[in-house]
Amino acid sequence: AQSVAQPEDQVNVAEGNPLTVKCTYSVSGNPYLFWYVQYPNRGLQFLLKYITGDNLVKGSYGFEAEFNKSQTSFHLKKPSALVSDSALYFCAVRDLFHGSSNTGKLIFGQGTTLQVKP
Amino acid sequence: DAGVTQSPTHLIKTRGQHVTLRCSPISGHKSVSWYQQVLGQGPQFIFQYYEKEERGRGNFPDRFSARQFPNYSSELNVNALLLGDSALYLCASSAQLTAHEQYFGPGTRLTVT
Repeated sequence: AQSVAQPEDQVNVAEGNPLTVKCTYSVSGNPYLFWYVQYPNRGLQFLLKYITGDNLVKGSYGFEAEFNKSQTSFHLKKPSALVSDSALYFCAVRDLFHGSSNTGKLIFGQGTTLQVKP
Repeated sequence: DAGVTQSPTHLIKTRGQHVTLRCSPISGHKSVSWYQQVLGQGPQFIFQYYEKEERGRGNFPDRFSARQFPNYSSELNVNALLLGDSALYLCASSAQLTAHEQYFGPGTRLTVT
C-alpha cells in the first residue's frame, strides 16, 4: 500500500531563517508526490509536485522540495521563512492504481503545523 | 474564473439525520473528488467521479454516497449521521481523471451533535 509520513507534528522557525518540513513516502513504482498548504478554515492550496525530472522542484511562494529516491523522502524547504508562511502543510502521494481502475486519489500525510515567529 | 465552490459553508446536524453537500468544479473540469478531513488528520479519500461515473471509492461505509451531474457538479450524501462524521468535507476538481493538478474548494464544515 502506498503511504506518506510526516514525522513532525509541528515545526518552529524564526522569520528569515530557512525552514524544512519533512516527508517520507512508501510506494510501489514511481512516486507522484505533492505538497499542499492549508490556512485556518480554508481548503488546500497546491504548492508543488514531483512527477519526473529534476530532483529539486520549485513551487509557489518561494517553496521548493527535494526528491530523494534513496531515502524515499520529499522534504519541503524555503530559504527564508515569513510569518505569513505559518500554516498546516500536507505531503501527498498519488494512488494511481486503486483497485482495478486508474484514479486521481491522493493519499495524505497527517500534516505538519509550521509556526514562523517574528 | 471561479475556483471550486462548495455549499453550504457550515452545517450542524443531529445524529441519525441525513446531509447533502454540494460542489461545483472549475469550469471545464470533468473530475470531482471528495475527501473527509477530521480535525488533526490529513484528508481521507471518499469518492472520485469522472464523466458522471464513480471511478474510485475509499474505505467509507455505504452511508456515504455521491453522484455527478451532467454539468459536472457533484453531491455528497451521508445518511444516518454519526458523531464521528463531524469533519471538514473537501471537494477537489481536475480536468481529467488522472490529471496531476487538483484544485480544492474551501470545504464544508459538518458538525454532528
